Parts: sequence; C-alpha cells; structure tokens
Amino acid sequence: EIVLTQSPATLSLSPGERATLFCRASQSVDNYLAWYQQKPGQAPRLLVYDASNRATGVPARFSGSGSGTDFTLTIYSLEPEDFAVYYCQQRRDWPGITFGPGTKVDF
Amino acid sequence: QVQLHESGPGLVKPSETLSLTCRMSAGSVSNYFWNWIRQPAGKGLEYVGRVSPNGDSNYNPSLRSRVTLSIDKSKNQISLRLDSVTAADTAVYYCVREKVGARYYFDYWGQGTLVTVSS
Repeated sequence: EIVLTQSPATLSLSPGERATLFCRASQSVDNYLAWYQQKPGQAPRLLVYDASNRATGVPARFSGSGSGTDFTLTIYSLEPEDFAVYYCQQRRDWPGITFGPGTKVDF
Repeated sequence: QVQLHESGPGLVKPSETLSLTCRMSAGSVSNYFWNWIRQPAGKGLEYVGRVSPNGDSNYNPSLRSRVTLSIDKSKNQISLRLDSVTAADTAVYYCVREKVGARYYFDYWGQGTLVTVSS
C-alpha cells in the first residue's frame, strides 16, 4: 500500500496569506496525485489532478506541483472560503487508491 | 448540475450486511465509472471500490473479501453491499462519480450517508 503523509497537520494563517501544503508518498506515484478540499459537513471537492491540473471551476489561486514522491499545493492569497481540510490522493496503485490524513487550514 | 443521492439504512447490526444505493439526478449511470469512498467521523477518507458501466468491479484490497458493487441500468442506480460489518465500518459513505477523461479521480460526490454499526 502506498502511504501518503501530509504536512503540516494544521496550518494557521490569515486571509490574504499564502498557504503551502505538502504531500509525500511512500513510493513514487509518478504524477498520479490529486488534491481535494473538504469543508465541515460537506463532501470533498476535487481541486487538482495529475499533480498540476486544476479541475473545472477551481480558481487560479490554487496551484499544484510535484512528481514522484513529493507534492505541493499552494493557495496564493487565501480567501475566507478556503479555510478547510485538504487531502491528497494517489491513483498510481489502483485499486489500492489511498488518501493522505489531511491538512487543516484555519485562522 | 449533477446531483448524487445515497440512501439506505442508517443503522446496521454487527455481522449483518450493509446495503446502500446511489441515484443520479440526471443522465444515465451507464455512461460513467462509479466509486464508493467512506469516511469515519472526524477521520480521513478510505477508498472502497469501483464499478464500470459494463458492471466490472474492483475493490480496495483491504475490503475485497466483503464488498460488492453493482450497477442496475434498469433502475439507473449503483449499489454497494458490505458483508459481516463491524463497528469499524461505521462511517459516512459517499457515492462518487469518476472524472470523465481522468480516471480514478473524483469530481462529483453525493452528500454522503451515515451508516452506524451497532447492536
């Protein structure tokens, strides 16, 4: 099983600041990595897939990068609605798809 | 906007079978790949498995021996069956549609249904 580790567990920032979230895989996932945003009481929302492709309707302030084992999600200039939990997901090992434990972005 | 709606019993007894269905507000389920993902309260996401338009299914190895996914074109719905449940199966279960053109990524999610395993 490919294990995904996310850091930090919590990121305390203010609106307008830049958020940098990390996801590390226990072995290479090539570029087969996605990022999701989840707000309380809601289902996750796809933000980025294949490491750097923004999903439909996702604002340009969200940017994904990385390949192999190390990945980054950057949120340039946080908006109030961006405070949420972010998960990474790998599909390299399908059907053993796994998610990271999440990073909470809060005030 | 596509909407997905999961339904099924909210309470299942240990050792029994959990059964859920998922319906799409518009369109045919036959045109997409369907997945189930679950999330215990306050915890992360766990992949359950996938069913193809032709009915082929694949499962997370950790659940393979207990889970069955199916597609019913006549009812335009997807189903999940999980046998021999324990408290560890208590979670919100999401029906999820795979992104067209980007396999194994998930862009449409149901609102989720909470299933509690308890006697």
